[in-house]
Amino acid sequence: GAVVSQHPSRVICKSGTSVKIECRSLDFQATTMFWYRQFPKQSLMLMATSNEGSKATYEQGVEKDKFLINHASLTLSTLTVTSAHPEDSSFYICSARVNDTYEQYFGPGTRLTVT
Amino acid sequence: KQEVTQIPAALSVPEGENLVLNCSFTDSAIYNLQWFRQDPGKGLTSLLLIQSSQREQTSGRLNASLDKSSGRSTLYIAASQPGDSATYLCAVRRRDDKIIFGKGTRLHILP
Repeated sequence: GAVVSQHPSRVICKSGTSVKIECRSLDFQATTMFWYRQFPKQSLMLMATSNEGSKATYEQGVEKDKFLINHASLTLSTLTVTSAHPEDSSFYICSARVNDTYEQYFGPGTRLTVT
Repeated sequence: KQEVTQIPAALSVPEGENLVLNCSFTDSAIYNLQWFRQDPGKGLTSLLLIQSSQREQTSGRLNASLDKSSGRSTLYIAASQPGDSATYLCAVRRRDDKIIFGKGTRLHILP
């Protein structure tokens, strides 16, 4: 089956710094990837849609200047949390849509803790 | 706007019992519906995916049904085991490919 990886799996950073999270489709090409956020004991909320070669589209209420998304290749999308604050601490999960079949597969998630 | 609701929010049942988790969604124009399992602090494990044209899917002790017209899905777990304890998420994929999740049902199987 199709595999999506995320790196890192866990990251701790200090308030005010920036953190980059990678989402990779390992054995398929994905023009479109999605980024989700999950706060403790909450469900997953879609943050943005990442499109290879074009700007990401953000859901209402998500700050595009704070959550920078770059989808530079057909297998890699990155989410950069800029000037992180403790309230950005969350579980970030990506999904990738297979170009040929339109199936979507989820990554294992990245737990971000901002101190 | 698509909203996904899961009932109950939490459920505790003795080992061996059969149980049903419920999911409802407000917009029937969906591409598919998927049930996931999430263990504490972990990612998602896909359990069953039902295409919009299908009525149910089965995998082992799990059976998921879909009634698109009424906006409902159920996940049936037979002969529950302590290892089934987890949060179960219902997710609807819209036709624009966005996936909307319910808040989940936290299931605890009592040994």
